[in-house]
Amino acid sequence: QQQVKQSPQSLIVQKGGISIINCAYENTAFDYFPWYQQFPGKGPALLIAIRPDVSEKKEGRFTISFNKSAKQFSLHIMDSQPGDSATYFCAAAHSGTYKYIFGTGTRLKVLA
Amino acid sequence: KAGVTQTPRYLIKTRGQQVTLSCSPISGHRSVSWYQQTPGQGLQFLFEYFSETQRNKGNFPGRFSGRQFSNSRSEMNVSTLELGDSALYLCASRSGGGNTEAFFGQGTRLTVV
Repeated sequence: QQQVKQSPQSLIVQKGGISIINCAYENTAFDYFPWYQQFPGKGPALLIAIRPDVSEKKEGRFTISFNKSAKQFSLHIMDSQPGDSATYFCAAAHSGTYKYIFGTGTRLKVLA
Repeated sequence: KAGVTQTPRYLIKTRGQQVTLSCSPISGHRSVSWYQQTPGQGLQFLFEYFSETQRNKGNFPGRFSGRQFSNSRSEMNVSTLELGDSALYLCASRSGGGNTEAFFGQGTRLTVV
């Protein structure tokens, strides 16, 4: 019940394309869902986050879509750029514990 | 505003030794969490400290311990190191008080030989 399942494991997208990464969770107590971007040798950097009271949140080229009934959420990267090539992690947390449960990560490669 | 600072960045230790890692959170942040990142297990929660008190603990053996000081700086200690403890150890800083945005440091890469 504590797992967050992330797919795909790896993704190759052409420059200018849309990258889509999906996550699913079981624990309905989770109420905070962030996405992190990690480059090699660096720590994860917070990209965007959403709470269950909204179905979509957009920040620049990054959009989170949230489906509460299906217990799924996804990250869409519009107009993907080679500089977006990194590993992306979804996470879920219950604000009462502040403990993040991370997905297994998606390695994105954007071809120039 | 300075980010999360972790020291040292790299560490090589021998099996059986102990190690202490340090984390300075963002100024004004009172919550520090520690995570272990490995290729096989991904990012796993170790523990969280808020105002010098451990608030939550992950499923790691007692060899992993931590503490937080009055200035919010935190240390993590691993005793009797095993080869499997080789990992990137990440510290995350949050303001606490209900804000769940966590900001990570660059991590300490620990290699146990």
